[in-house]
Amino acid sequence: KNEVEQSPQNLTAQEGEFITINCSYSVGISALHWLQQHPGGGIVSLFMLSSGKKKHGRLIATINIQEKHSSLHITASHPRDSAVYICAVRVYYGGATNKLIFGTGTLLAVQP
Amino acid sequence: EAGVTQFPSHSVIEKGQTVTLRCDPISGHDNLYWYRRVMGKEIKFLLHFVKESKQDESGMPNNRFLAERTGGTYSTLKVQPAELEDSGVYFCASSQGTSGYARIKETQYFGPGTRLLVL
Repeated sequence: KNEVEQSPQNLTAQEGEFITINCSYSVGISALHWLQQHPGGGIVSLFMLSSGKKKHGRLIATINIQEKHSSLHITASHPRDSAVYICAVRVYYGGATNKLIFGTGTLLAVQP
Repeated sequence: EAGVTQFPSHSVIEKGQTVTLRCDPISGHDNLYWYRRVMGKEIKFLLHFVKESKQDESGMPNNRFLAERTGGTYSTLKVQPAELEDSGVYFCASSQGTSGYARIKETQYFGPGTRLLVL
């Protein structure tokens, strides 16, 4: 079982819908990242969270450290939001490397 | 400011051949990470450089993979000899800080990846 689990794996929505992607992890972390990858494109960092909530435009990310769970919300979804959304956690080894452990990603398709 | 760049964007080679991937991090970034995604799997960590030193190479799959970062600027990842299971997308990322605490607060900036296909 992967240390980082995302759900759903695939998601199809209609334009304008509110979207939620979930991420659960089983290791101790120092931070959690939400990343976005458009088809054929590179990976872009959307958020880095260690507590609470962050908002950027129509995107909102929340994290509950006690429950080891994070959610990424997209309000008023648009076809240009179609992409793979990846959750990654940073495991902190007391000053050593802070490598990222990734979920498998959620493929989002927003239809007009 | 230029982002993280990787070369080549695509590479198709035959089993047994050698391939060298290059990553140029954002200028001034001391931390450089290599990751890869094999077909259908999640992205996995390969190794981490701080300047020219290997901080963590626990994700390197075997001794067919050799990473270098001479001079602490760009990095190369050589696969020799390549096997079919090495096919995938190899990503490089960089971040700025050097101390452990600063590093955990940093965003990693990813390159576009190199798509490697071993036939």
